[in-house]
Amino acid sequence: DGGITQSPKYLFRKEGQNVTLSCEQNLNHDAMYWYRQDPGQGLRLIYYSQIVNDFQKGDIAEGYSVSREKKESFPLTVTSAQKNPTAFYLCASSPRQGRQETQYFGPGTRLLVL
Amino acid sequence: GDSVTQMEGPVTLSEEAFLTINCTYTATGYPSLFWYVQYPGEGLQLLLKATKADDKGSNKGFEATYRKETTSFHLEKGSVQVSDSAVYFCALRVNTGFQKLVFGTGTRLLVSP
Repeated sequence: DGGITQSPKYLFRKEGQNVTLSCEQNLNHDAMYWYRQDPGQGLRLIYYSQIVNDFQKGDIAEGYSVSREKKESFPLTVTSAQKNPTAFYLCASSPRQGRQETQYFGPGTRLLVL
Repeated sequence: GDSVTQMEGPVTLSEEAFLTINCTYTATGYPSLFWYVQYPGEGLQLLLKATKADDKGSNKGFEATYRKETTSFHLEKGSVQVSDSAVYFCALRVNTGFQKLVFGTGTRLLVSP
C-alpha cells in the first residue's frame, strides 16, 4: 500500500541532544513538508522541499534542520537550539507544489523532552 | 495575512444529531479550502475540499460549501456517529507564490451514544 510512514511513534530527547525524526513516502511525490502541532493550536510549517536536494524554511524553522537526498525521504533533525521541542510532528507530501495538489499526512511522531 | 478561524470546542453531540462546525477565513486572492480530520494519536486525513467559490466538497456524509461572500467554509453532517469523534481542522491554501496550507486551531467533536 502507498503511504507515508513516520518513525518512531514516540521519541524522547535529553537536554543538549539532537534527535532525528524519519519520514518516508512511497507515493512518488515530489514535494514534502514538516509541520509542528502544539495542543490547542493548528499546524505550523517548519520546512518544505519541492524537489530532491532542495528545501526551504517555513514559518518556524529555527532550531530545526532537514535534508532531501532521496525523493522518498525527508528527515527532520530537532537540534539542541530548539528550546521547546515537545510537540507532535507531522510529515506530509504532495505530488508537486501546485494549485491542485492535495497534501497527504503521515501518522506523526510525538517528541517529549526528559 | 492569511488566516483561518474556527469555532472553539469541544462540540458535544448525541449520536444522530446534526453537526455544524463554523470556519471563516481571511485571504488575498482566491484560496482553496480544506477540511482535515485527526483521530486520536493519528495524523491528519483529508476529509473534503473546494477550490473555487460555490463549490461544495463532500465525503462520508460531511459537506462544506465555499462561500466567497461570507468568506466561510462551514462543515456540516446530517447525522453524526460515535466514530466521527475527532478533531476537525479547517485550512486554506493560498494560490500565489509558495502555496502553503494555513490551518485553523482545530475543533474537537465528541459524540456520545
